[in-house]
Amino acid sequence: EAGVTQFPSHSVIEKGQTVTLRCDPISGHDNLYWYRRVMGKEIKFLLHFVKESKQDESGMPNNRFLAERTGGTYSTLKVQPAELEDSGVYFCASSQQRGGGTEAFFGQGTRLTVV
Amino acid sequence: AQSVTQLGSHVSVSEGALVLLRCNYSSSVPPYLFWYVQYPNQGLQLLLKYTSAATLVKGINGFEAEFKKSETSFHLTKPSAHMSDAAEYFCAVTWNDYKLSFGAGTTVTVRA
Repeated sequence: EAGVTQFPSHSVIEKGQTVTLRCDPISGHDNLYWYRRVMGKEIKFLLHFVKESKQDESGMPNNRFLAERTGGTYSTLKVQPAELEDSGVYFCASSQQRGGGTEAFFGQGTRLTVV
Repeated sequence: AQSVTQLGSHVSVSEGALVLLRCNYSSSVPPYLFWYVQYPNQGLQLLLKYTSAATLVKGINGFEAEFKKSETSFHLTKPSAHMSDAAEYFCAVTWNDYKLSFGAGTTVTVRA
């Protein structure tokens, strides 16, 4: 069974441009999460989907970030316009359930560099 | 605010030596606790987790961790380090069952 897949693995864009990151969760996992690690800092929660609904987007930095999960399958995270401080590694994770310490399965991450 | 702290951003051990990575959380309510590992060019992989069952938790690759409520700790150990253990290790906690809070990570290097 395929794990969580993220595209692209690396992206280098100029300040002001738009970038869209994609995450394909494990099939059948209703819960999908986005996390981000800015260089030198902790991995931080961005948001949580249950199927196509946003359950918690309290970690989204600002309105330049837009996450979608159409049809409850894959998810995209768009940054528009990108700023230098958006550079970092963006992780996607998915889980079948929530609660009881359910394991979240992580993708390899997308390394975003804004120059 | 609830938080998780990993003591030491870098740990260097000799092959065959004990690996000890420290993790403490700040809360009077015990959370669910996890250790994840990230090998070079790979995603985060779960090593083990504590979910209020046995306080000594055994994980993959010979790692184990002990939950100590009185010390609010969940330190990770491996009796004998192998070269393949070189990676970055993250302690993570959740109190609300879905949002993980991560420590800053500890990079382990293993000397031959």
